[in-house]
Amino acid sequence: DTGVSQDPRHKITKRGQNVTFRCDPISEHNRLYWYRQTLGQGPEFLTYFQNEAQLEKSRLLSDRFSAERPKGSFSTLEIQRTEQGDSAMYLCASSHNLGTNYGYTFGSGTRLTVV
Amino acid sequence: DQQVKQNSPSLSVQEGRISILNCDYTNSMFDYFLWYKKYPAEGPTFLISISSIKDKNEDGRFTVFLNKSAKHLSLHIVPSQPGDSAVYFCAASASGERGKLIFGQGTTLQVKP
Repeated sequence: DTGVSQDPRHKITKRGQNVTFRCDPISEHNRLYWYRQTLGQGPEFLTYFQNEAQLEKSRLLSDRFSAERPKGSFSTLEIQRTEQGDSAMYLCASSHNLGTNYGYTFGSGTRLTVV
Repeated sequence: DQQVKQNSPSLSVQEGRISILNCDYTNSMFDYFLWYKKYPAEGPTFLISISSIKDKNEDGRFTVFLNKSAKHLSLHIVPSQPGDSAVYFCAASASGERGKLIFGQGTTLQVKP
């Protein structure tokens, strides 16, 4: 297991298009998180899953965003009708249940550019 | 509302000297704090953490200090090495919300040879 894997690494899309990102967590981790990071800011929480259940979703996440983790393994984050303000680095992380004792393991992120 | 603040965007130190990175928080419900390091084109990497029941935690060259009354924590790196040059984020979580970390804006550390 080589850590948290995210695909694609970069995505350029036209405004109004839909995009989907994939995250493969560390296999024994049952928690999976999505964060967004813009330039000069720290990562901002979007949502997290414990196994296949989505336990929390940020109020900042508009209805255009949806995340799934159908079998409690990989996860997808979809953004519909992208806007220029969606341009950011989207980070996925995973952890054991006792995540805060060990810290999350982050992937390298997917950089989205909306033109 | 920035609940976790890193007021110094950047810090430059000489190799071998101490680096001190600071972080302030406003939410008194936070009881667990972490530091992450981030290199360009990579995701953040967990560095060290501290629970609010402690005021110090040490791991090799890295020590985190927590002052609950001041709602302040700091990361000390001694001695600093050029490979420590990165962006450092502090993060906090609250009991009952362990699934969510609140991050500061980050401090870019440059260690000069």
